[in-house]
Amino acid sequence: GAVVSQHPSWVICKSGTSVKIECRSLDFQATTMFWYRQFPKQSLMLMATSNEGSKATYEQGVEKDKFLINHASLTLSTLTVTSAHPEDSSFYICSARAGLAGGFTDTQYFGPGTRLTVL
Amino acid sequence: GQQLNQSPQSMFIQEGEDVSMNCTSSSIFNTWLWYKQEPGEGPVLLIALYKAGELTSNGRLTAQFGITRKDSFLNISASIPSDVGIYFCPTASSGDKLTFGTGTRLAVRP
Repeated sequence: GAVVSQHPSWVICKSGTSVKIECRSLDFQATTMFWYRQFPKQSLMLMATSNEGSKATYEQGVEKDKFLINHASLTLSTLTVTSAHPEDSSFYICSARAGLAGGFTDTQYFGPGTRLTVL
Repeated sequence: GQQLNQSPQSMFIQEGEDVSMNCTSSSIFNTWLWYKQEPGEGPVLLIALYKAGELTSNGRLTAQFGITRKDSFLNISASIPSDVGIYFCPTASSGDKLTFGTGTRLAVRP
């Protein structure tokens, strides 16, 4: 139980293009999903909190117009990196928080990550 | 803001050895989680701690939530090569946001 998937697992794109990353909770409903970014040999940094049916809450320093988040259903959140540049190359990881029915409220289950490389 | 310190930063041990790592914080928390991240993968939940003093095991792993709620440790007994990875001990703050430390990198020599 508590499986989270991400698609694609890796993507290479040209500078200036947009890339969409999907995060799905496969066997539970997630009212809240989180998006993280991880640079090589560094820890996970929270980018934004995504709540189903409402606007995402972005962490300080994260551009909301560049990293568009949509959480249209209880099992799907998407992150779109708009006008990507080489400095956006990173490992993007989502997590989903199980509700009371699925587990403890503080437990987050992570997806396998998406490796983005911008040329 | 809160500070989360993990130690040691890295460990290089022989297969079969026991491992101990810990996390300390300047703040008090109600939840402490231990995750393992393997290269190119997302973190996987190992153990979740919800009560001060709680001691929980998961196979060869044992974790405890400190009485003061400002620290936690994780022990791995009889390490094996597949224990290699980065171990994180995030804590949950307001809004269920997790704060990650720098992690402890574990390497196991066969």
